[in-house]
Amino acid sequence: GIQVEQSPPDLILQEGANSTLRCNFSDSVNNLQWFHQNPWGQLINLFYIPSGTKQNGRLSATTVATERYSLLYISSSQTTDSGVYFCAVGTRMNTGFQKLVFGTGTRLLVSP
Amino acid sequence: DGGITQSPKYLFRKEGQNVTLSCEQNLNHDAMYWYRQDPGQGLRLIYYSQIVNDFQKGDIAEGYSVSREKKESFPLTVTSAQKNPTAFYLCASSMWESDTQYFGPGTRLTVL
Repeated sequence: GIQVEQSPPDLILQEGANSTLRCNFSDSVNNLQWFHQNPWGQLINLFYIPSGTKQNGRLSATTVATERYSLLYISSSQTTDSGVYFCAVGTRMNTGFQKLVFGTGTRLLVSP
Repeated sequence: DGGITQSPKYLFRKEGQNVTLSCEQNLNHDAMYWYRQDPGQGLRLIYYSQIVNDFQKGDIAEGYSVSREKKESFPLTVTSAQKNPTAFYLCASSMWESDTQYFGPGTRLTVL
């Protein structure tokens, strides 16, 4: 099956710093999502980005589908950005079902 | 308020007991999903349902059962056959034609 690798596994930043998180995947996909899991476990949708670039405030994401990677940029980080960031890629099965495969995440700690 | 609710938030079970985790959504979504998350890991798919009265096994269905009698509800039963049930369980939903999945707050199950 498809493999999803995220890097780095852990990241510690000072408040105000910028960072780039990477997601590599092993096969063609028709869906890629970035999620943020807060310290209480809630998974929040950040981006649905199978290709191209999107921005939402201090966060932006770029997916280069032909080269099988996606990047999540966090600018001017805040302590509330702490948590785990997951990349999930989707492949559509014969039944029409979209199966999401998750990476193991990047754990981010932003210190004041 | 639209969203996905899961109950209980924390659940403790003795070995040999079955327990049922609740998942309800009022988003009028067609599809619903159950995932399992272990410490330091990504999410793995247990079961999914595309429509009422239909559901399919995911990657780790052994020891679990589900039902989908109503569009809004997709309860998960963790049976005594599940060898390592201690984990964080997340429910999600989506419109069938949409690739974006939305997650509930999760249930943390601990087997004593």
